Amino acid sequence: NAGVMQNPRHLVRRRGQEARLRCSPMKGHSHVYWYRQLPEEGLKFMVYLQKENIIDESGMPKERFSAEFPKEGPSILRIQQVVRGDSAAYFCASSPSASGEFFGPGTRLTVL
Amino acid sequence: GQNIDQPTEMTATEGAIVQINCTYQTSGFNGLFWYQQHAGEAPTFLSYNVLDGLEEKGRFSSFLSRSKGYSYLLLKELQMKDSASYLCAVRAGDSNYQLIWGAGTKLIIKP
Repeated sequence: NAGVMQNPRHLVRRRGQEARLRCSPMKGHSHVYWYRQLPEEGLKFMVYLQKENIIDESGMPKERFSAEFPKEGPSILRIQQVVRGDSAAYFCASSPSASGEFFGPGTRLTVL
Repeated sequence: GQNIDQPTEMTATEGAIVQINCTYQTSGFNGLFWYQQHAGEAPTFLSYNVLDGLEEKGRFSSFLSRSKGYSYLLLKELQMKDSASYLCAVRAGDSNYQLIWGAGTKLIIKP
């Protein structure tokens, strides 16, 4: 059973470009969470999704950020018109029902 | 509101024992989790407590007291590779599966 997969592992974008981060949850997991982590800081919750539904997006900036988890395919975190402050590690986690969250390896986004 | 507190940083000596505390105030409770995160890597699951008491797993043990809103992670026979951040997280209710996260405790192991 493969773990949570994220790609790309490293992404470099120039200011103003779009960043698309992908997350494939573990098999059988229908809950997906996205977190952002700045260097030397803790995890910051962004959004919680189930298939085709956004359950909680209270941690996601209102502008430029969006997330989806379609019926087929991976979950996507999309950042439009990136700025230098978006540079961070973005982690995806998944869970089945009441157990803990299992994390993917993360995507390191660098905005030049 | 929801709040989870844990010390920012702790230092311990190789071979010793260290206890990392976590206190929480949440609207409900449906389990407490501990994760380990090495610098530059993803968090990895360590333990899960939903009932009061001690759960032991090798060198690591986790304790929970629901009445006190308190947990600790105990690490024995410390090794240099245990230098990492330790994250406490609580599932506040059973209406969804989202975890509420503490800021993490950075553990520094000295020879």
